[in-house]
Amino acid sequence: QVQLQQWGAGLLKPSETLSLTCAVYGGSFSGYYWSWIRQPPGKGLEWIGEINHSGSTNYNPSLKSRVTISVDTSKNQFSLKLSSVTAADTAVYYCARLRGRGYYGSGSYHMDVWGKGTTVTVSS
Amino acid sequence: QSVLTQPPSVSGAPGQRVTISCTGSSSNIGAGYDVHWYQQLPGTAPKLLIYGNSNRPSGVPDRFSGSKSGTSASLAISGLQAEDEADYYCQSYDSSLSGSVFGTGTKVTVL
Repeated sequence: QVQLQQWGAGLLKPSETLSLTCAVYGGSFSGYYWSWIRQPPGKGLEWIGEINHSGSTNYNPSLKSRVTISVDTSKNQFSLKLSSVTAADTAVYYCARLRGRGYYGSGSYHMDVWGKGTTVTVSS
Repeated sequence: QSVLTQPPSVSGAPGQRVTISCTGSSSNIGAGYDVHWYQQLPGTAPKLLIYGNSNRPSGVPDRFSGSKSGTSASLAISGLQAEDEADYYCQSYDSSLSGSVFGTGTKVTVL
């Protein structure tokens, strides 16, 4: 059974860089896309972006200028970096496995396994 | 930034049937892309409930069902139970974003 374990700094100051890592245990790493999603306090889910095992990425246009998602296939891990954070980036950040049929833009892709979430607070 | 619209809340008595709508546009649901549904219990990560419009992952009770028509989709919960009290989100692909979009979320309350 695939499990995702995530970690990273939980308290940041404005202008710092958020850095989170998600490790994949108990299943194949290749053949999937690996995604990051966030949820501000009391609000809904927001897609941040994803990466596949070969390093191909897709980013939310609203965050693209500040986001970098990378992969380390030797460790079955993928990471999120979000630069120049502000209070608006305060949220629970989730990693997830993206699963679907065919090419990424086919529209069949969904998040079938989720990490437990990491709370990130941005405050001076 | 949600482009999929859901009602903020729905409620029902135990045993009743409730439905949650998810309304999109021609760049997402209306373009024929699949709709998926997630259940988020308080303080926990979302859990996949329905994928590919109407398919249930193993372990999800058949009280949950999904459908799609035109630019909208629906999640139905029949035989409502206290444990169904949670937030529910729809998700699809959006061609203008070239990525995933989530619904605004719906809180289900069991009276």
